[in-house]
This record gives sequence, structure tokens and C-alpha cells, in this order.
Amino acid sequence: QKEVEQNSGPLSVPEGAIASLNCTYSDRGSQSFFWYRQYSGKSPELIMFIYSNGDKEDGRFTAQLNKASQYVSLLIRDSQPSDSATYLCAVEYGNKLVFGAGTILRVKS
Amino acid sequence: NAGVTQTPKFRILKIGQSMTLQCTQDMNHNYMYWYRQDPGMGLKLIYYSVGAGITDKGEVPNGYNVSRSTTEDFPLRLELAAPSQTSVYFCASHGDLWGVNYEQYFGPGTRLTVT
Repeated sequence: QKEVEQNSGPLSVPEGAIASLNCTYSDRGSQSFFWYRQYSGKSPELIMFIYSNGDKEDGRFTAQLNKASQYVSLLIRDSQPSDSATYLCAVEYGNKLVFGAGTILRVKS
Repeated sequence: NAGVTQTPKFRILKIGQSMTLQCTQDMNHNYMYWYRQDPGMGLKLIYYSVGAGITDKGEVPNGYNVSRSTTEDFPLRLELAAPSQTSVYFCASHGDLWGVNYEQYFGPGTRLTVT
């Protein structure tokens, strides 16, 4: 059973702060990891993917991968109210992705 | 490009009825997927396809069927609808398999209620 675990939240942060979202996975063989943002009633949108240990930065988003500890995280700097959404972590297994249940992020102005 | 389109947007089915959810993409993507998302949950993979004529089961295939006769279309068939199939259904596609230029697109979803 491939498992992807996320804290369901909600995670509340003030505007301008750093939001830190975490995800752990069960299969050491996974090579690629994804973060999606999903606004209420909308479809998921891919915001980051990472496949090498370390950090990957894209604008205000940084994905961090630690394969030895089997976790991947997403940092959102200078959080804005528009970042309020559910963030889904997904882990690749062959041709497929397994999704976590998501973490609700609330950014308060 | 229209991206990934799904029809219908909403549907109410009675128990035992059947229907087909349509999914079309115009990006010439080989990989296509059907997911369902129950309230407060992540996405569960129903079926996927790596190219025309090739389909395979995901985590939750029971009660569903798919076909992939063209690159563009990947319809999902529900036979004998049950209340447990009440969910939001998303179709997704991508080109490269987890490559550097990986891009994935989701359709807008179909909200299905079975009563």
C-alpha cells in the first residue's frame, strides 16, 4: 500500500509570513514529488515538482526533498490571502501518482 | 488550446442508472487519467492510459470502465451507479513522463450525485 500523509490542518498564518507544508511518503523507490494547489470547488493546479534531494525554488515557492527521511515540504514565502487553498502532495509510483488528503492553508490579512 | 475539457459539469443519477463522463484534451498528450475526489480527501486514481489503445486500472476501478480509441478522448463509463460513486471526477493529462518539462493539466471536473 503506497501511502502519502499530510496534516489536514487548517494551517493558519498571517499575511507576509512563511507557510510550511509537510508531506511524508511510504515507498523509498519513489523518484518524483509534486505539489498542487486546489481552490475550493476548482480543479488541482500543479505548482511545483521536485525529483532531486535538496531545494527547488520558483518565485515565492520552495520545495524541499529529503529522500532518506522520506519527506517533502513546500514553503510559501510572503504568504498572501490569495494563497488560501488546499495543498495536495503527490508521489510518483511508476506511471501513477498517489495523492495525500491535502492541507488546508488559511492566510489571514 | 482548450486544454482538458470535461462534460457534463453536473449530473444527478438514480441508483442503477449508467452514464459516460467525457474527457477530451487537445495537447496531443499520451498520458491521461481519471480521478475521483470525495469531500475532504485527496484524489484517488480510477483508471489511466499511457496512449491510444492502452488502459490500466488504478486504485479504485470497481464500478467503472474506460476506453482510449484516440489520443484526444478518454471517456469514463459508470455502470449500475451506486451512492458510493457520488463524488467529483477529474480527468487529467500530461505529455512527458515526469521529465524536466513536465506539465500536467486537469479538467474542471464533473460533480456526480447518485441518489
